[in-house]
Amino acid sequence: KAGVTQTPRYLIKTRGQQVTLSCSPISGHRSVSWYQQTPGQGLQFLFEYFSETQRNKGNFPGRFSGRQFSNSRSEMNVSTLELGDSALYLCASRETTGETDTQYFGPGTRLTVL
Amino acid sequence: AQSVTQLDSQVPVFEEAPVELRCNYSSSVSVYLFWYVQYPNQGLQLLLKYLSGSTLVESINGFEAEFNKSQTSFHLRKPSVHISDTAEYFCAVSPVGATNKLIFGTGTLLAVQP
Repeated sequence: KAGVTQTPRYLIKTRGQQVTLSCSPISGHRSVSWYQQTPGQGLQFLFEYFSETQRNKGNFPGRFSGRQFSNSRSEMNVSTLELGDSALYLCASRETTGETDTQYFGPGTRLTVL
Repeated sequence: AQSVTQLDSQVPVFEEAPVELRCNYSSSVSVYLFWYVQYPNQGLQLLLKYLSGSTLVESINGFEAEFNKSQTSFHLRKPSVHISDTAEYFCAVSPVGATNKLIFGTGTLLAVQP
Protein backbone atom coordinates (compact mmCIF):
# COMPACT_ATOMS: atom_id res chain seq x y z
CA LYS A 1 0.00 0.00 0.00
CA ALA A 2 1.13 3.53 -0.64
CA GLY A 3 1.84 5.60 2.45
CA VAL A 4 0.34 8.89 3.52
CA THR A 5 1.04 11.59 0.97
CA GLN A 6 1.10 15.31 1.55
CA THR A 7 1.29 18.12 -0.94
CA PRO A 8 3.01 20.39 -1.37
CA ARG A 9 6.17 19.47 0.52
CA TYR A 10 7.35 23.06 0.84
CA LEU A 11 5.53 26.39 0.85
CA ILE A 12 6.63 29.97 1.29
CA LYS A 13 3.96 32.57 2.02
CA THR A 14 3.85 36.09 3.38
CA ARG A 15 1.98 37.38 6.39
CA GLY A 16 -1.72 37.89 5.83
CA GLN A 17 -2.00 35.33 3.04
CA GLN A 18 -3.85 32.08 3.33
CA VAL A 19 -2.69 28.57 2.52
CA THR A 20 -4.22 25.17 1.82
CA LEU A 21 -2.40 21.92 2.51
CA SER A 22 -3.51 18.54 1.23
CA CYS A 23 -3.27 15.03 2.66
CA SER A 24 -4.16 11.67 1.14
CA PRO A 25 -4.39 8.89 3.72
CA ILE A 26 -3.44 5.27 3.26
CA SER A 27 -6.05 3.47 1.21
CA GLY A 28 -8.86 2.23 3.45
CA HIS A 29 -8.08 4.56 6.34
CA ARG A 30 -10.97 6.85 7.19
CA SER A 31 -9.49 8.91 10.01
CA VAL A 32 -7.09 11.75 9.25
CA SER A 33 -5.39 13.90 11.89
CA TRP A 34 -3.29 17.03 11.50
CA TYR A 35 -0.39 18.10 13.72
CA GLN A 36 1.79 21.18 13.86
CA GLN A 37 5.46 20.71 14.71
CA THR A 38 7.65 23.62 15.78
CA PRO A 39 10.99 23.69 17.64
CA GLY A 40 9.45 25.58 20.54
CA GLN A 41 6.11 23.82 20.99
CA GLY A 42 6.91 20.37 19.66
CA LEU A 43 4.12 18.28 18.16
CA GLN A 44 0.67 19.75 18.73
CA PHE A 45 -2.62 18.23 17.66
CA LEU A 46 -4.73 20.40 15.38
CA PHE A 47 -7.80 18.34 14.49
CA GLU A 48 -9.08 14.96 13.40
CA TYR A 49 -11.55 14.13 10.67
CA PHE A 50 -13.50 10.91 10.28
CA SER A 51 -16.06 10.25 7.57
CA GLU A 52 -16.03 13.91 6.51
CA THR A 53 -16.77 15.14 10.07
CA GLN A 54 -14.44 16.88 12.48
CA ARG A 55 -14.31 14.57 15.46
CA ASN A 56 -11.67 16.20 17.66
CA LYS A 57 -10.06 19.62 17.78
CA GLY A 58 -6.93 20.90 19.45
CA ASN A 59 -6.34 24.30 20.98
CA PHE A 60 -5.72 26.42 17.90
CA PRO A 61 -7.41 29.64 16.75
CA GLY A 62 -10.21 29.61 14.23
CA ARG A 63 -7.77 30.65 11.49
CA PHE A 64 -6.92 26.96 11.31
CA SER A 65 -9.61 24.90 9.64
CA GLY A 66 -9.94 21.69 7.74
CA ARG A 67 -12.22 19.42 5.85
CA GLN A 68 -12.39 15.88 4.62
CA PHE A 69 -13.80 14.61 1.36
CA SER A 70 -15.77 11.46 0.63
CA ASN A 71 -12.60 9.70 -0.55
CA SER A 72 -11.02 10.45 2.88
CA ARG A 73 -8.57 12.98 1.45
CA SER A 74 -8.24 15.96 3.75
CA GLU A 75 -7.27 19.59 3.39
CA MET A 76 -6.11 22.01 6.01
CA ASN A 77 -6.47 25.77 5.59
CA VAL A 78 -4.74 28.55 7.47
CA SER A 79 -6.03 32.06 6.90
CA THR A 80 -4.38 35.40 7.70
CA LEU A 81 -0.97 33.81 8.12
CA GLU A 82 1.28 34.94 10.96
CA LEU A 83 5.03 34.50 11.32
CA GLY A 84 4.40 32.03 14.13
CA ASP A 85 2.55 29.72 11.75
CA SER A 86 5.88 28.71 10.23
CA ALA A 87 6.10 25.01 11.00
CA LEU A 88 6.10 21.48 9.70
CA TYR A 89 2.50 20.35 9.27
CA LEU A 90 2.07 16.61 9.56
CA CYS A 91 -0.89 14.55 8.52
CA ALA A 92 -1.57 11.11 9.93
CA SER A 93 -3.98 8.41 8.89
CA ARG A 94 -5.26 5.92 11.38
CA GLU A 95 -5.53 2.18 10.95
CA THR A 96 -8.16 0.50 13.11
CA THR A 97 -8.57 -3.07 11.93
CA GLY A 98 -8.88 -6.04 14.22
CA GLU A 99 -6.62 -5.49 17.18
CA THR A 100 -4.57 -2.81 15.46
CA ASP A 101 -4.90 0.87 16.28
CA THR A 102 -2.02 2.93 14.90
CA GLN A 103 -1.39 6.30 13.29
CA TYR A 104 0.89 6.55 10.26
CA PHE A 105 2.38 9.88 9.33
CA GLY A 106 3.11 11.55 6.03
CA PRO A 107 6.33 13.38 5.16
CA GLY A 108 4.88 16.74 6.13
CA THR A 109 4.52 20.14 4.52
CA ARG A 110 7.12 22.70 5.55
CA LEU A 111 5.41 26.11 5.68
CA THR A 112 7.54 29.24 5.93
CA VAL A 113 5.79 32.55 6.55
CA LEU A 114 7.82 35.67 5.71
CA ALA B 1 -5.47 12.92 30.52
CA GLN B 2 -2.15 11.47 29.49
CA SER B 3 1.32 12.98 29.44
CA VAL B 4 4.73 11.83 28.26
CA THR B 5 8.14 12.80 29.58
CA GLN B 6 11.36 12.35 27.67
CA LEU B 7 13.95 13.63 30.08
CA ASP B 8 16.89 13.58 27.67
CA SER B 9 16.69 16.18 24.93
CA GLN B 10 19.91 14.91 23.37
CA VAL B 11 21.88 11.68 23.73
CA PRO B 12 25.36 11.58 22.19
CA VAL B 13 26.81 8.11 21.69
CA PHE B 14 29.66 6.53 19.76
CA GLU B 15 29.00 4.17 16.89
CA GLU B 16 28.58 0.51 17.95
CA ALA B 17 27.87 1.52 21.57
CA PRO B 18 24.57 0.62 23.28
CA VAL B 19 21.96 3.29 23.89
CA GLU B 20 18.82 3.78 25.95
CA LEU B 21 16.32 6.58 25.33
CA ARG B 22 14.06 7.10 28.29
CA CYS B 23 10.30 7.60 28.20
CA ASN B 24 7.93 7.87 31.15
CA TYR B 25 4.22 8.42 30.91
CA SER B 26 1.34 9.37 33.15
CA SER B 27 -2.19 8.13 32.70
CA SER B 28 -5.23 7.23 34.78
CA VAL B 29 -6.40 4.72 32.16
CA SER B 30 -4.80 1.89 30.24
CA VAL B 31 -2.61 3.04 27.38
CA TYR B 32 -1.02 2.21 24.07
CA LEU B 33 2.61 3.27 23.68
CA PHE B 34 4.60 4.15 20.59
CA TRP B 35 8.04 5.21 19.46
CA TYR B 36 8.32 7.25 16.29
CA VAL B 37 11.55 8.31 14.57
CA GLN B 38 12.07 11.47 12.56
CA TYR B 39 15.05 11.81 10.23
CA PRO B 40 16.11 15.32 9.15
CA ASN B 41 13.55 17.04 6.94
CA GLN B 42 11.19 14.08 7.04
CA GLY B 43 7.94 13.11 8.70
CA LEU B 44 7.46 10.66 11.55
CA GLN B 45 8.01 6.97 10.98
CA LEU B 46 6.56 4.38 13.31
CA LEU B 47 9.42 2.51 14.96
CA LEU B 48 7.54 0.18 17.30
CA LYS B 49 4.41 -0.03 19.38
CA TYR B 50 2.90 -1.69 22.41
CA LEU B 51 -0.81 -2.37 22.21
CA SER B 52 -1.16 -5.54 24.28
CA GLY B 53 0.48 -8.90 24.89
CA SER B 54 4.22 -9.24 25.32
CA THR B 55 5.69 -6.25 27.11
CA LEU B 56 8.89 -6.45 25.05
CA VAL B 57 8.45 -5.20 21.51
CA GLU B 58 11.04 -5.06 18.76
CA SER B 59 11.58 -3.18 15.51
CA ILE B 60 13.02 -4.54 12.30
CA ASN B 61 16.21 -2.49 12.65
CA GLY B 62 17.32 -3.73 16.06
CA PHE B 63 15.55 -1.38 18.48
CA GLU B 64 13.46 -2.74 21.32
CA ALA B 65 11.31 -1.24 24.05
CA GLU B 66 9.79 -2.72 27.17
CA PHE B 67 6.49 -1.65 28.67
CA ASN B 68 6.87 -1.43 32.43
CA LYS B 69 3.49 -0.71 33.97
CA SER B 70 4.72 -0.41 37.55
CA GLN B 71 7.32 2.17 36.58
CA THR B 72 5.13 3.74 33.88
CA SER B 73 8.01 3.57 31.45
CA PHE B 74 8.60 2.57 27.84
CA HIS B 75 12.35 3.00 27.35
CA LEU B 76 13.87 2.43 23.91
CA ARG B 77 17.10 0.48 23.63
CA LYS B 78 19.53 -0.69 21.00
CA PRO B 79 22.61 -2.82 21.78
CA SER B 80 24.78 -1.35 19.00
CA VAL B 81 23.98 1.89 17.16
CA HIS B 82 24.97 2.97 13.68
CA ILE B 83 25.61 6.40 12.22
CA SER B 84 22.37 5.99 10.28
CA ASP B 85 20.42 5.85 13.57
CA THR B 86 21.06 9.56 14.06
CA ALA B 87 17.58 11.08 14.26
CA GLU B 88 15.00 12.48 16.66
CA TYR B 89 12.97 9.91 18.56
CA PHE B 90 9.51 10.63 19.91
CA CYS B 91 7.67 8.62 22.52
CA ALA B 92 3.87 8.82 22.35
CA VAL B 93 0.92 7.57 24.40
CA SER B 94 -2.79 7.24 23.80
CA PRO B 95 -5.69 5.75 25.70
CA VAL B 96 -6.45 2.19 24.67
CA GLY B 97 -8.47 2.19 21.48
CA ALA B 98 -7.99 5.91 20.89
CA THR B 99 -4.81 6.66 18.97
CA ASN B 100 -6.67 9.66 17.57
CA LYS B 101 -5.81 11.16 20.97
CA LEU B 102 -2.05 10.60 20.66
CA ILE B 103 0.14 12.65 23.00
CA PHE B 104 3.81 13.11 22.17
CA GLY B 105 6.88 13.69 24.27
CA THR B 106 9.28 16.49 23.43
CA GLY B 107 11.67 14.19 21.59
CA THR B 108 15.23 12.96 22.09
CA LEU B 109 17.92 13.64 19.54
CA LEU B 110 20.14 10.60 19.19
CA ALA B 111 23.49 11.80 17.87
CA VAL B 112 25.74 8.92 16.83
CA GLN B 113 29.38 9.84 16.45
CA PRO B 114 32.04 7.84 14.58
